[in-house]
Amino acid sequence: GNSVTQMEGPVTLSEEAFLTINCTYTATGYPSLFWYVQYPGEGLQLLLKATKADDKGSNKGFEATYRKETTSFHLEKGSVQVSDSAVYFCALSVAQGAQKLVFGQGTRLTINP
Amino acid sequence: SQTIHQWPATLVQPVGSPLSLECTVEGTSNPNLYWYRQAAGRGLQLLFYSVGIGQISSEVPQNLSASRPQDRQFILSSKKLLLSDSGFYLCAWSVGLDNSPLHFGNGTRLTVT
Repeated sequence: GNSVTQMEGPVTLSEEAFLTINCTYTATGYPSLFWYVQYPGEGLQLLLKATKADDKGSNKGFEATYRKETTSFHLEKGSVQVSDSAVYFCALSVAQGAQKLVFGQGTRLTINP
Repeated sequence: SQTIHQWPATLVQPVGSPLSLECTVEGTSNPNLYWYRQAAGRGLQLLFYSVGIGQISSEVPQNLSASRPQDRQFILSSKKLLLSDSGFYLCAWSVGLDNSPLHFGNGTRLTVT
């Protein structure tokens, strides 16, 4: 079946530190890959996506590259800010008539000033 | 622009009581609609999705049901709540297939006592 495994949290960093949140997946077929972010008290927002191998998704300074050979989609940011504190979810989709996302368990990130 | 409304934001219900959570989408036609649940310390689990009026697909066996009485209205219900139904419920919509992202509401925090 399809599944997503994320780096266990919580993760605590200082402002301007480098961030990596690991994500690996197993899937039948050729999935699209996503990172969603959930700020406190809110729903999820799409952060970035990649639809095929070697694609790089980027947004707000975050990047993730679709690595088929390692079945990974690690999230990175060169210099984090306090406002990046949130829960980050990695997800995959193998469309079957609707966009059914399979999510990882989420990684809580806290950035200290 | 498209918006999604989900209510109530917070709900506390006793075991055995009924449940009705409502979600409406504005600014788009014939969206795919989804209900997800986020249990404490866990990732998101897809409960139901719908590709059209009256069309409901259930992803996991459970104490809940869903209905879509109108194109942009999605309702999550239960006749008798269980303690295990506690969690954070998220409604989402998408259009098209494959790589289109999901757009989430702000969620409902349900506590069953």
